[in-house]
Amino acid sequence: AQSVTQLDSQVPVFEEAPVELRCNYSSSVSVYLFWYVQYPNQGLQLLLKYLSGSTLVKGINGFEAEFNKSQTSFHLRKPSVHISDTAEYFCAVLSAGFSSGSARQLTFGSGTQLTVLP
Amino acid sequence: NAGVTQTPKFQVLKTGQSMTLQCAQDMNHEYMSWYRQDPGMGLRLIHYSVGAGITDQGEVPNGYNVSRSTTEDFPLRLLSAAPSQTSVYFCASSRQQNTEAFFGQGTRLTVV
Repeated sequence: AQSVTQLDSQVPVFEEAPVELRCNYSSSVSVYLFWYVQYPNQGLQLLLKYLSGSTLVKGINGFEAEFNKSQTSFHLRKPSVHISDTAEYFCAVLSAGFSSGSARQLTFGSGTQLTVLP
Repeated sequence: NAGVTQTPKFQVLKTGQSMTLQCAQDMNHEYMSWYRQDPGMGLRLIHYSVGAGITDQGEVPNGYNVSRSTTEDFPLRLLSAAPSQTSVYFCASSRQQNTEAFFGQGTRLTVV
């Protein structure tokens, strides 16, 4: 079985400051990793994904994430946040290769609410 | 470009009533899923489908049924609504297992 832990439920940060949202996962097989963003009263939108290759992944809106296999982490970073980045962010994992049952579907963390303060 | 369309956006049900949440996608995606979102719990998988005629249970399937008669549609049925089913429901689709999942706007359901 796979699982995702987002270590911070709330992250307040001032505008133009850097931010890191933490995500750790557990899985007995290789994984694909995703970050999604949810703005108020909307569905989820993909920020970035790691499937293979370079461990540093760049996404939309200036976000990036680094896959660390030894630490089973996939932390999301942005060097300078804007008010418009205020949203809830979800880390998700998907088993790579052959998997059966619900392991073939996305498993989400509990979410991190990022609030950017003026 | 419609993407994934969910209806209704809001619904209030009385305990014991049944209803169907609709989900349709126009991207010819094989994979479709239903999630529920509850505060502090992220999104939990209810049911999923890997193609027309094929469905399976996710993490929290009790009290819900699904069917997939066409590639485009994946309705979620609540058989006898309970207050514990008060939640926001999201439908998602993806072309392949490891590609981006596209989400609908959600259905906010309240069971009283």
